[in-house]
Amino acid sequence: EVQLVESGGGLVQPGGSLRLSCAVSGFTFSSYVMSWVRQAPGKGLEWVSGVSETGGTTHYADSVKGRFTISRDNSKNTLHLQMNSLRAEDTAIYYCARRARGQSYNFDYWGQGTLVTVSS
Amino acid sequence: QSVLTQPPSASGTPGQRVTISCSGSSSNIGGNTVNWYHQLPGAAPKLLIYSNNQRPSGVPDRFSGSKSGTSASLAISGLQSEDEADYYCAAWDGSLNGYVFGTGTKVTVL
Repeated sequence: EVQLVESGGGLVQPGGSLRLSCAVSGFTFSSYVMSWVRQAPGKGLEWVSGVSETGGTTHYADSVKGRFTISRDNSKNTLHLQMNSLRAEDTAIYYCARRARGQSYNFDYWGQGTLVTVSS
Repeated sequence: QSVLTQPPSASGTPGQRVTISCSGSSSNIGGNTVNWYHQLPGAAPKLLIYSNNQRPSGVPDRFSGSKSGTSASLAISGLQSEDEADYYCAAWDGSLNGYVFGTGTKVTVL
C-alpha cells in the first residue's frame, strides 16, 4: 500500500525556518518525481515545488523561490522541504504528492498534510 | 494567483448532470494535458481525471473530462450526495515551469 506521511509542521514566527519531511512507503521512491503542494486556510491548492527522481532537478513556484529548498534522501525514502524566511502568507497545510509515471503530469498519491502556521 | 479559472460554485439535485469549466492559456491547458482533483472537507485532494479524460482505477464512470484548445471541463452525471466536494483542474505550465491549479469549484448537491 502506498503511503506518504508528512511531519515537521508547527507554529513559527515570521522570518523563522522550518523543515518538513515526508516519509514514503509502498513504492520505489527513487523512481518517482515528488512535489509539495500547499493550501492556505479556506483557500485553493498551490503547487510549491518539485524534485526529480535523483534530486538533480528542482522547480519552485515564484512565491517561494529563493526561500524554500526541496530535497530527497532516496536511501531513507524521505522527501524534505526546508522553509526559510517564512511569512504569514506561507501559513498553510503542506501536502507531499507523488507524480504518476508517464507523460501526463499529475499527482496520483497524496499525504494527509502537515499544518504550518507563521505568526508572532 | 491561480492561472486556471473555474467558476466558484456549481450545484444540482441528485441524479442531475453538473459541468465545471476550466479556462487557461496556451502555456498550460493549450500545450499540456489536464487533470482534475476533488477534495472532500478536511481531507487531502484525490486524483479524479488525468490526461484530459482518463479515470484512475476506482473512479466511477459518472465522472468524465474533456479538453478543447485552452479550456477543459469536468462533467458529473447522476449527481450523488457524496459528490459534494471542491474540484480543481490542473496542468503543467511551460512558461512558469511549474504546475498550476485552477481556482477551485465547490459542488453542492441540493
